[in-house]
Amino acid sequence: GIQVEQSPPDLILQEGANSTLRCNFSDSVNNLQWFHQNPWGQLINLFYIPSGTKQNGRLSATTVATERYSLLYISSSQTTDSGVYFCAVGLDNYGQNFVFGPGTRLSVLP
Amino acid sequence: NAGVTQTPKFQVLKTGQSMTLQCAQDMNHEYMSWYRQDPGMGLRLIHYSVGAGITDQGEVPNGYNVSRSTTEDFPLRLLSAAPSQTSVYFCASSYLGGRGYTFGSGTRLTIV
Repeated sequence: GIQVEQSPPDLILQEGANSTLRCNFSDSVNNLQWFHQNPWGQLINLFYIPSGTKQNGRLSATTVATERYSLLYISSSQTTDSGVYFCAVGLDNYGQNFVFGPGTRLSVLP
Repeated sequence: NAGVTQTPKFQVLKTGQSMTLQCAQDMNHEYMSWYRQDPGMGLRLIHYSVGAGITDQGEVPNGYNVSRSTTEDFPLRLLSAAPSQTSVYFCASSYLGGRGYTFGSGTRLTIV
């Protein structure tokens, strides 16, 4: 089956710093989404991004489908950005049955 | 409030017991699914449904049953609980194609 890798596994930042999280996947996909799991366990959809670039405030994401990777950029990080960031790829015809990567755990220090 | 509602939030079961985890959504999403999350890992798909009366297996379906009699509800049944099923269970829903993917707040299940 498809392999989804994320790097780095852990990241510690000072508030205000920028960061880039990477997701590599081993096969063509119909869908790719980024999720944030906050310290209380809630999963929030950040981006639906099977290809191209999107921005939402301090967060942006780029997926290069032909090279099978996606990047999540966090600028001017805040303590509320802490948590685990998951990349998930969809393979089925509808692109909604996801295979999740192992996640990047981000800690933003005040 | 619109969203995905899971009950209960916490549950402790004895090995061999059965139970049903409830999931309801009020967004008229066609697609619903169940995932499990084990410590330090990403989520793994258990079962999914693309509409009322239609269900199918995901990556880790053994030991679980589902049904979908209405668009709103998608319960997950543990037939005979085993310690290996100790996990956090998440229900999710979306429009077909994955847009608007919304997760419930999770059910933390412990099997002793």
